[in-house]
Amino acid sequence: GAVVSQHPSRVICKSGTSVKIECRSLDFQATTMFWYRQFPKQSLMLMATSNEGSKATYEQGVEKDKFLINHASLTLSTLTVTSAHPEDSSFYICSASLGTPRDLASYEQYFGPGTRLTVT
Amino acid sequence: GESVGLHLPTLSVQEGDNSIINCAYSNSASDYFIWYKQESGKGPQFIIDIRSNMDKRQGQRVTVLLNKTVKHLSLQIAATQPGDSAVYFCAENRSPGANSKLTFGKGITLSVRP
Repeated sequence: GAVVSQHPSRVICKSGTSVKIECRSLDFQATTMFWYRQFPKQSLMLMATSNEGSKATYEQGVEKDKFLINHASLTLSTLTVTSAHPEDSSFYICSASLGTPRDLASYEQYFGPGTRLTVT
Repeated sequence: GESVGLHLPTLSVQEGDNSIINCAYSNSASDYFIWYKQESGKGPQFIIDIRSNMDKRQGQRVTVLLNKTVKHLSLQIAATQPGDSAVYFCAENRSPGANSKLTFGKGITLSVRP
């Protein structure tokens, strides 16, 4: 159980175009979803926290107008990289958690397989 | 500033030996810690977690130890196998009760020699 999928797994796009990445919780309802980016040989950096039906909370330094996040249902969140540039090339990973922040059982995050974005 | 960090960037062990991966954290308010394994090109995979009211927790071939006095977390892997080769991350929740965000450490590469 607790499977998270991402689509696409790889995408190559031209500079200036927009790319949408989907994150789905397949067998559970995710109260909260998280978006990370990871550069080669580096750790995961949290970009934003997304709760179903509300606006995402972005981490400091992450441009919310460039990285649009929509969490329309308890099983789907999307990240759209708008007007992509080569420096946006990265590995984007989503995760989902089950409960509410006050519930310690919710702290475990289930990760998707990641999306490799290459902007040419 | 506060950080979650790892002491060594790489660890090479002989197949069959035990591995110990260490992690230091600096936020004494953190109440939940978790170890993830990440294979190349994949998302992180849960290994084991521990809450701050515990100092040890065991899983299958893995043990996590938490020393709150020195803010130290370790992951022990028994009888290390080639399939254990990966990057390992420790992560912590720094804002218990406020949110469920995790802060990740830098990661350490475990390489298992046949």
